[in-house]
Amino acid sequence: DIVLTQAPLSVSVTPGESASISCRSSKSLLSSKGITSLYWYLQRPGKSPQLLIYQMSNLASGVPDRFSSSGSETDFTLKISKVETEDVGVYYCGHRLEYPLTFGSGTKLEIK
Amino acid sequence: EVQLVETGGGLVQPGKSLKLTCATSGFTFSNAWMHWVRQSPEKQLEWVAQIKAKSNNYATYYAESVKGRFTISRDDSKSSVYLQMNSLKEEDTAIYYCTYWELGLDYWGQGVMVTVSS
Repeated sequence: DIVLTQAPLSVSVTPGESASISCRSSKSLLSSKGITSLYWYLQRPGKSPQLLIYQMSNLASGVPDRFSSSGSETDFTLKISKVETEDVGVYYCGHRLEYPLTFGSGTKLEIK
Repeated sequence: EVQLVETGGGLVQPGKSLKLTCATSGFTFSNAWMHWVRQSPEKQLEWVAQIKAKSNNYATYYAESVKGRFTISRDDSKSSVYLQMNSLKEEDTAIYYCTYWELGLDYWGQGVMVTVSS
């Protein structure tokens, strides 16, 4: 199975500042179709996860452009610019390159 | 508006069975690839199963941890997907989410709690 390792476990950010979350894959997530199968999800407190980013760098519908994602075949970074209080929650990376789909263990973002 | 509503959770003894239902609306269910994902009490997300559409012969896929014990199915006439869980173990305790893949796991239900304990 593909292992996704996230860092840090938690991050505390002052509103208006930026935050970065790393996700490292045990295998290249570049598919034979040239798509990088890396996804980011946010789970706000008490809510279900929601899709933020698909195919490594594309914003899901309704996601503000303060969120961005980039990376290579195995190393990825989610960046949140100008953090707002509504960004609080746990961020998970995930893949769909092959079965089983797997997720990282999550990074908790808190506001200072 | 896309909606997914899970029901059927509860407290069950180890070795027993439970069937989860996910009723959906707001999208063309018959074309949708549906998934179940669970979240442990430690908050780890774990993909459980997927069922593809009729055009893909309703192909199914399972996590190794549930293969042979869980069965995913669907009823397109009811826009519903199911998860039959047999021989439940304490480690199956989790919130179970029904999800729909469009560009990613775009839409999630509110989740249903399953607790396996004697």
